[in-house]
Amino acid sequence: GQQVMQIPQYQHVQEGEDFTTYCNSSTTLSNIQWYKQRPGGHPVFLIQLVKSGEVKKQKRLTFQFGEAKKNSSLHITATQTTDVGTYFCAAGPVAGGTSYGKLTFGQGTILTVHP
Amino acid sequence: DVKVTQSSRYLVKRTGEKVFLECVQDMDHENMFWYRQDPGLGLRLIYFSYDVKMKEKGDIPEGYSVSREKKERFSLILESASTNQTSMYLCASRRNPGGRSDNYGYTFGSGTRLTVV
Repeated sequence: GQQVMQIPQYQHVQEGEDFTTYCNSSTTLSNIQWYKQRPGGHPVFLIQLVKSGEVKKQKRLTFQFGEAKKNSSLHITATQTTDVGTYFCAAGPVAGGTSYGKLTFGQGTILTVHP
Repeated sequence: DVKVTQSSRYLVKRTGEKVFLECVQDMDHENMFWYRQDPGLGLRLIYFSYDVKMKEKGDIPEGYSVSREKKERFSLILESASTNQTSMYLCASRRNPGGRSDNYGYTFGSGTRLTVV
């Protein structure tokens, strides 16, 4: 089935430093979503990207979808302790087929922010 | 706010027991999903349902079954629990994707941490 690779697995930063996590697929994706899971919590939807080359911003978070729709990134500027958690990308299938609506999750990047 | 409620936060069961994990959503979503989450492995899809009485196998369906008799409820069944099914189980729901720029993500429940002893 479809696979999504997410790197790095872990990232430790000092508060104020930037952070980026990357998501890569060998197949073209119809869309990609990003989720955040706080320690002890459940994943919470952040955003969805659909268009080739799309860039969206949420305050200090910048999300990008690659031109070929095979990769994506999440960048956090000037991290804060509230950014701690695991960030997952989740890829939608290529349009069509019976898997419509089903997402494949990356393994996640665990972000630790030192004050 | 969409709410997805899982019946138990923590559960301890014995090997061989039949285990039912219940999930209820209150926003009339068509799609519902069961994932398990294990350290280093991320979220892996067990089963999903895109409508009442409809179900499809995910990536790791072995040892599990599901039931969706009503739109709001999606149950995960461990027919005979084994220790390798000790995990965090997450239920999620989503409105049926439609149109070219459907912007709705999954809404997850709080999870059930199941321990099989």
